[in-house]
Formats: sequence, C-alpha cells, structure tokens
Amino acid sequence: NAGVTQTPKFRILKIGQSMTLQCTQDMNHNYMYWYRQDPGMGLKLIYYSVGAGITDKGEVPNGYNVSRSTTEDFPLRLELAAPSQTSVYFCASSYPSGSANTEAFFGQGTRLTVV
Amino acid sequence: AQKVTQAQTEISVVEKEDVTLDCVYETRDTTYYLFWYKQPPSGELVFLIRRNSFDEQNEISGRYSWNFQKSTSSFNFTITASQVVDSAVYFCALGLYNQGGKLIFGQGTELSVKP
Repeated sequence: NAGVTQTPKFRILKIGQSMTLQCTQDMNHNYMYWYRQDPGMGLKLIYYSVGAGITDKGEVPNGYNVSRSTTEDFPLRLELAAPSQTSVYFCASSYPSGSANTEAFFGQGTRLTVV
Repeated sequence: AQKVTQAQTEISVVEKEDVTLDCVYETRDTTYYLFWYKQPPSGELVFLIRRNSFDEQNEISGRYSWNFQKSTSSFNFTITASQVVDSAVYFCALGLYNQGGKLIFGQGTELSVKP
C-alpha cells in the first residue's frame, strides 16, 4: 500500500536554484494538494487540483508552479529558490467532496532548506 | 473568511491525566468537514477523525473523544488517561466542500505527556 509518495525526503538548495518535488498517488484520487509547513505553524495550501488538467492556486502560491497531466502525479516546481521557501512540503490526495470518505491522505513530507 | 483557531499553543500534562484540545472554526459555508490530525515527532500526519457539518453526534474511539458543537463553532478533542505516546502536535482542520475539498489548518497544539 504505497498511498501518497513524495520524493525527495530531504533537499538543500542554493538561492536561485530550481527543483521539482515529486508526488504520486496510487489510490485513483481525483483531488490532490500541496501544502507547506513552516516551523511551529499549521499547514498552508500552495496549489491544488481537482482532476487531470485542472489546477488552482491556494493561499501561498507565489514562487511555485504545478501541473497535473495524469491522475496519479502532481509535481511542484520551485523556480529561483529563496530562503523564505525553506519549509516542509506535504503532498496530499483525497476523494472528491461529497464522497463517503473525504479524508486527505498525506505523503511523508519533503524537508527543503534554501541557503 | 475561513479560519481555524487553536488557542492552546502548548499543553503539558502528567501521564494518566485527561486533556482537552480546543478548536474553534469560522466559515460561512453550510456544508463543510472538520478534521483532527496528529503529527508525532517523526513528522508524518496521522488522520484521527472526520466529521461533516450535518453530523453533530459526539464520537468516542478508545481513549479519544470529540465534541462537535455548531452553536459555538467548536470541535474539541479530549484524550482520557493520557499516555507518553500521545505526545505530538495536534492539528484541527476545516475542509471546504465547495472549494475542492481543501483544508484550512489551525496552528496546532503541542501536547507533551510526561511520565
């Protein structure tokens, strides 16, 4: 039971570098999300998707891009990394609202440090 | 505005004490979900409970119980006879039914259970 898989688990980036955080789920969920968690804080939504080909901004989208070409994958792209993007990133997926089970399943997180 | 407030930043108890974690939410939506997640020191997010806005029944699961009161917009979580393994950060979250199921998280309550 893989669930939601994120790679990498840890990464150190230099200011101005770019990278892609990978997220894949094997539960055939339509809905997928990217959140970031800053130290001592709750999670904040970066981007989300309600299906392949559809994405929308969350609360803190600046500095990030996403794509959703398949149901399974929802990569998060950081362009021109900045120290303010140092955080733990969580990918999640769920069934659509209104389904019997709308629990969000979370990946293990990616700890990113920008120096 | 959609908002979740967990007023208790940190709670420290001695093992076997009962402890209640408070959660107050704000939304104008009539259909929504409420969640509690546990984040142990290892960092992953563990789903504990989901409650939809039409179901105000309280729930008990072992040592855990939840009290949902729409009149006060609260969804409080009680751990009975706490154990050291309950030490973690606990997040309350509001799920937006009409907005792609995205979650609004509180800032979390760090519970420390001492032997």
